[in-house]
Amino acid sequence: RKEVEQDPGPFNVPEGATVAFNCTYSNSASQSFFWYRQDCRKEPKLLMSVYSSGNEDGRFTAQLNRASQYISLLIRDSKLSDSATYLCVVRVGSGNTGKLIFGQGTTLQVKP
Amino acid sequence: ETGVTQTPRHLVMGMTNKKSLKCEQHLGHNAMYWYKQSAKKPLELMFVYNFKEQTENNSVPSRFSPECPNSSHLFLHLHTLQPEDSALYLCASSQNFGGLGETQYFGPGTRLLVL
Repeated sequence: RKEVEQDPGPFNVPEGATVAFNCTYSNSASQSFFWYRQDCRKEPKLLMSVYSSGNEDGRFTAQLNRASQYISLLIRDSKLSDSATYLCVVRVGSGNTGKLIFGQGTTLQVKP
Repeated sequence: ETGVTQTPRHLVMGMTNKKSLKCEQHLGHNAMYWYKQSAKKPLELMFVYNFKEQTENNSVPSRFSPECPNSSHLFLHLHTLQPEDSALYLCASSQNFGGLGETQYFGPGTRLLVL
């Protein structure tokens, strides 16, 4: 089983649509959770951290369900510029033994 | 954005060549990382350096040899690579290694093709 699992997509949605991505992780000791965004042929960049209470940043909402080991990202009112690959990232371990584990990514294409 | 730079951006090499990838971060960070990103695969952590000391070697073949002369610079020395080593090699840095909420900042990557 992959440590961090995502549906690779692609998700093709019209502008203005609401789209949700899911991610599951296998290590119950995972401590921190993130969504990164990677544009085509570019480097990954942090989109947002994911907190247990859920958090929102403009049109983006991230949620964490520790019991189900499940993370989600909701994008409202999709824009063309949201087209990218969204990487679910989990930190396992802590201190000098901790490291980030990346999912394969979910590709989003927003169409006019 | 020039927080983390990498050179070269593209590299084609034969299996008998020796080459080096360079990474430099201008963010005052203490931790630096090498990742490999192959097509349709997740990013794979290769090496971690924290305050110039290697803290992680993720079972990487010895044909990849990292070097960290100081907290701002990181190299990846390549020799006798295989075609399956063709990938995007990404360098990243973070303020420290081990912080739970630590953000990693990535360079643009070196796209490597091994013939």
